[in-house]
Amino acid sequence: DSGVTQTPKHLITATGQRVTLRCSPRSGDLSVYWYQQSLDQGLQFLIQYYNGEERAKGNILERFSAQQFPDLHSELNLSSLELGDSALYFCASSEGLEKTQYFGPGTRLLVL
Amino acid sequence: GQSLEQPSEVTAVEGAIVQINCTYQTSGFYGLSWYQQHDGGAPTFLSYNALDGLEETGRFSSFLSRSDSYGYLLLQELQMKDSASYFCAVLASGTYKYIFGTGTRLKVLA
Repeated sequence: DSGVTQTPKHLITATGQRVTLRCSPRSGDLSVYWYQQSLDQGLQFLIQYYNGEERAKGNILERFSAQQFPDLHSELNLSSLELGDSALYFCASSEGLEKTQYFGPGTRLLVL
Repeated sequence: GQSLEQPSEVTAVEGAIVQINCTYQTSGFYGLSWYQQHDGGAPTFLSYNALDGLEETGRFSSFLSRSDSYGYLLLQELQMKDSASYFCAVLASGTYKYIFGTGTRLKVLA
């Protein structure tokens, strides 16, 4: 158990819908990262927040947005969902910009 | 662009030693990390090289050569539980984007 929690574990929705994925980092960690992993693919970095501020942005679509709240939990919002958005979404956390990221168990999203 | 290339699959037998390579094209980065991911699971951190050379952590070692744009993960005394996917990753300097490699699926045979 990494100490990072993600909810929900599974999510099934329809095209065009909007969903919110939630992540609680390890106690004391200020950085939160979001990744997308499609079937049998590598991890695609989406976005990083540090202490409430956006730190780095990767290949995140305009239909996707994220934020980190004062209690440091983070939410990833996916809107106008398409079939191709079906994937495993991981959240990770670290104290700062350290080498080690601790990954949550992921949210498996299926768009029908 | 920035990319990290890895062999897609490696097969070895229990007790053997296997090396998983990671070659990269990136203008600059802070260090090379390695992660293990079992099917259906989350990635877990294995090793990190900030500087050139070898880092050893139990049965796992990792190597980095910035001059050769190359790194590798060495797994010794392979066990069945080592069957998993392995990813190298870097934090790109300047952009602070994390870039993960294409991943290598390791199959350990009895």
